[in-house]
Parts: sequence; C-alpha cells; structure tokens
Amino acid sequence: EVQLLESGGGLVQPGGSLRLSCAASGFTFSSYVMSWVRQAPGKGLEWVSVISVSGGSTDYADSVKGRFTTSRDNSKNTLYLQMNSLRAEDTAVYYCAKCEVGWRGWFDPWGQGTLVTVSS
Amino acid sequence: EIVLTQSPGTLSLSPGQRVTLSCRASQSVSSSYLAWYQQKPGQAPRLLIYGASNRATGIPDRFSGSGSGTDFTLTISRLEPEDFAVYYCQQYGSSPLTFGQGTRLEIK
Repeated sequence: EVQLLESGGGLVQPGGSLRLSCAASGFTFSSYVMSWVRQAPGKGLEWVSVISVSGGSTDYADSVKGRFTTSRDNSKNTLYLQMNSLRAEDTAVYYCAKCEVGWRGWFDPWGQGTLVTVSS
Repeated sequence: EIVLTQSPGTLSLSPGQRVTLSCRASQSVSSSYLAWYQQKPGQAPRLLIYGASNRATGIPDRFSGSGSGTDFTLTISRLEPEDFAVYYCQQYGSSPLTFGQGTRLEIK
C-alpha cells in the first residue's frame, strides 16, 4: 500500500524556520516526482512546490519562492520542505503528494498532512 | 496562471439525487489535463478523476467527469451518504498548477 507520512509541523514565530519531512513507502520513491500542497484553515488547496526524481530540478509557487526549499533523499525515501522567513499567511496544513505523469500531473495519493502555525 | 472557478459554492441535496459540479478555467486547459478530488473533514484530498474523464483506481462508477477546453464537469449519478464532502478541480496543463476554490456538497 502506498503511504505518505508527514511530520515536523508545529508552532513557530513569524520570521522563524521549520523543516517538514514526508516518509514514503509502498512504491519506488526514486521514480516519482513529488510535490507539496498546502491548505490554510477553512480554505482551499494551494500548490507549493515540486521536485524532480533526482532532486536536481525544483519549482515553487510565487508565494513561497526564495523562502522555501524542497529536497529529497532517495536513499531514505523521504521528501523535505525547508521553510524560512515564515509569515502568518504560511499557516496551513501541509500535504506531500505523489505526482503522476511527471513534472506536471495529478496528485495521488496524499499524506495525512502536518499543521504549521505561524504566530507570536 | 490559469484560474479555476467552481460553481456553485455550496449545494444542498438529498441522497439519491444526481448532481453536476462545474469547473471553468480562465484559459484553455491543454490536453484536458484536469483532475477532481474529494475532501472530507479532517482528511486529505482523494483523487477521483484525472485527464478530465478517467476514474482513479477504486472510484465508484457513479462518479464521472467530462469536458474540455475551459469547461469541465463532475457528475455524481446517485448521491450516497458518503459523497457529502468538498470537491476540488485542479489543472495540470500549465505551471503553476492550480486548484478551484471548491464546491461543498451538504445534506439537505
């Protein structure tokens, strides 16, 4: 069974940093593009970032570009999201998702999400 | 950026009814690269449809998708109690990937 398990969320002050992890199992992690998607409380879904199978290419939403960095460790089947200079508007549940059909595709499945709260 | 507009925002219906949800794009979605997801409270989204009309693995055949260009629909032929949730469309034809704002299906 394909599983994605996020961790690392929590409460952080504005301007602070946090690193999220997503542990993958049940599929060949190194063969799939992966993404992060977030959802602010009571709001809709927002794509955050994508990373290639090797980790050599990444892309980001304009709202996080220059502040967030996505990486992966294929030897550990783990995806990461390093979040710096956090703002109140970054408060959201962060989901990792497996991308089908390469760099731009649909997401299946999604992890259960981890909540990041940015507040003083 | 392609903006997806879903309508209506909320629908109040009864089990057994047929429903059609709309997703309209601000510009043409290339190759019908459109997906639909279902999200229940406290849960992650679940893929229903990809490529505008292809059901994902394990999705009941009461769910169907159609459309092309800028207009897409998700139809549930006969609502079951477990279908009351929020539905999102997503385009993956161009960057950045974008989602609609969602349609909430509630029990009447």
